[in-house]
Amino acid sequence: DTEVTQTPKHLVMGMTNKKSLKCEQHMGHRAMYWYKQKAKKPPELMFVYSYEKLSINESVPSRFSPECPNSSLLNLHLHALQPEDSALYLCASSQDRRRGRDVIYGYTFGSGTRLTVV
Amino acid sequence: DQQVKQNSPSLSVQEGRISILNCDYTNSMFDYFLWYKKYPAEGPTFLISISSIKDKNEDGRFTVFLNKSAKHLSLHIVPSQPGDSAVYFCAASAYTPQGGSEKLVFGKGTKLTVNP
Repeated sequence: DTEVTQTPKHLVMGMTNKKSLKCEQHMGHRAMYWYKQKAKKPPELMFVYSYEKLSINESVPSRFSPECPNSSLLNLHLHALQPEDSALYLCASSQDRRRGRDVIYGYTFGSGTRLTVV
Repeated sequence: DQQVKQNSPSLSVQEGRISILNCDYTNSMFDYFLWYKKYPAEGPTFLISISSIKDKNEDGRFTVFLNKSAKHLSLHIVPSQPGDSAVYFCAASAYTPQGGSEKLVFGKGTKLTVNP
């Protein structure tokens, strides 16, 4: 299995709703990431989990809450979002490059969840 | 301040010809570079990468060249095919010894159109 699987593919939610995005990988990658991408912009990092611990939070508002239940799963809990939070949310995972510093390593993205906040 | 720059928003080439996509970076700590292809409303698909200890990496029709002194890399696609039409993102990473995770910094992308 060489994929990162994200569900749902599309999500429409109201500003008072609570929803969750899910991400799963079975490549044995120990780092997992959430990125956000707006139209015609590059992906921007939100959160990094390394060995199931949150290692980077790029000053993301608290209405976004990540969770890493185990080494294969990553969730993003959403609550009280704003219309400007509408975007493509991408999950990614990567190998630990220490294991082979000069080796081509995998940094794989899922197909994303298209989120619309109304 | 943009650390990874793709100065050409778009590029149009004829089928069968070479496509050359360019990327410049400013952070000398970057030691790994990746190219991704992206269609609208989909996640980036990994194409090819290169470590800073190398100056060239080839995979089929795709070759990436790295010029560390100029802080410049390029992606060559030969021969170009209509199915290559997409947005191409250059990304860079700086290895940090803790945690095993890496933050990718992306350029703004170049939209490649390959005409039949």
